[in-house]
Amino acid sequence: QKEVEQNSGPLSVPEGAIASLNCTYSDRGSQSFFWYRQYSGKSPELIMFIYSNGDKEDGRFTAQLNKASQYVSLLIRDSQPSDSATYLCAPGGRSRGSTLGRLYFGRGTQLTVWP
Amino acid sequence: DAGVIQSPRHEVTEMGQEVTLRCKPISGHNSLFWYRQTMMRGLELLIYFNNNVPIDDSGMPEDRFSAKMPNASFSTLKIQPSEPRDSAVYFCASSFMDGYTFGSGTRLTVV
Repeated sequence: QKEVEQNSGPLSVPEGAIASLNCTYSDRGSQSFFWYRQYSGKSPELIMFIYSNGDKEDGRFTAQLNKASQYVSLLIRDSQPSDSATYLCAPGGRSRGSTLGRLYFGRGTQLTVWP
Repeated sequence: DAGVIQSPRHEVTEMGQEVTLRCKPISGHNSLFWYRQTMMRGLELLIYFNNNVPIDDSGMPEDRFSAKMPNASFSTLKIQPSEPRDSAVYFCASSFMDGYTFGSGTRLTVV
């Protein structure tokens, strides 16, 4: 069984702060890592993916990957109330350029950004 | 691009009835996934197809569940007979390279 653990939350931060979401995974064969955002009553929406160790930035979002530690994180800078959602971490077994196979989803971390 | 299309959006049925959920993946995506989401268990993979062929159905709870993908643009998930514990949101997702695109889901309630 491939385990994906996320900080249990709920996480509550004030508007403008940095929200830090963490994820560890058990499968050392994981090569691709995805972060999904899910608003209440909606479907998961892909917001970031990362393949290589280090940081990847996209606007206010930064994904960080450390394969040796089997750890991936998502930082949200200048958090906004509209960022309030559940964030799901999903490692997968295929590398860049290969057809993506199954992803293993964590239980998610609920984030609330208060004004 | 209309995205992944699922139908129906909501389904309420009585225990013992047959339920069929439908999914149209994004054109060009060659993998299709059926997930179930509940508060207790989170997102669970039921089955996935690659190029219309079932690759992993180990998540299908029991023989009451079956899934088909007769062509690249259509898939069904059938539950027969349905039970109250099947109540959940069922998502279909499709992918090619980078990440899945989820449909809006079908909220199934079995009474």
